[in-house]
Amino acid sequence: EVQLVESGGGLVQPGGSLRLSCAASGFTFSNYGMNWVRQAPGKGLEWVSHITTSSSAIYYADSVRGRFTISRDNANNSLYLQMNSLRDEDTAIYYCASSSWYYFDDWGQGTLVTVSS
Amino acid sequence: SYVLTQTPSVSVAPGQTARVACGGNNIGGKSVHWYQQKPGQAPVLVVYDDSDRPSGIPERFSGSNSGNTATLTIIRVEAGDEADYYCQVWESSSDQWVFGGGTKLTVL
Repeated sequence: EVQLVESGGGLVQPGGSLRLSCAASGFTFSNYGMNWVRQAPGKGLEWVSHITTSSSAIYYADSVRGRFTISRDNANNSLYLQMNSLRDEDTAIYYCASSSWYYFDDWGQGTLVTVSS
Repeated sequence: SYVLTQTPSVSVAPGQTARVACGGNNIGGKSVHWYQQKPGQAPVLVVYDDSDRPSGIPERFSGSNSGNTATLTIIRVEAGDEADYYCQVWESSSDQWVFGGGTKLTVL
């Protein structure tokens, strides 16, 4: 059974930093591209970032480019998102999602990030 | 950037057919994927590559895509189908994954 478990969310002040983690199991992690997708309270889904299987290519949404950094550790089946210079509008549930092609096969349950003073 | 437009809400009686539309410029030339999200839960992929279903998704769910509109169709709608539905494409010109704004399906 595929499992994606996010952690690291919490309350942070504007301008602060946070690092999210996603632990994967139940599938061959190194064979899948990985993503972060977020959802602000009461709003729709927003793709945040994608990293290819070997980390050879990385993509970001315009709203986070230059502030967020995605990375992965295939040896430990883990995905990360380093979030710096956080803003109020970054408040959201952050989901980790796998992708075999250009869609999101499986999703974690998400971790809540709240940016507030 | 590429924009996907969805009607905010659709209502249907149990047993009837629901159609959820997703509009985009020449979307028929792209592969469209659909997700179902129930309250308090993570999204679930229900249709990929316009019309394929992942294992475990009922045959009642189907998709089509042509011209400027992609459509998710749910036949014999059940109370358990009540959820938000999102369409999604990959925009190759900018390497961006794009979601529609979502459609709330209400089962009357």
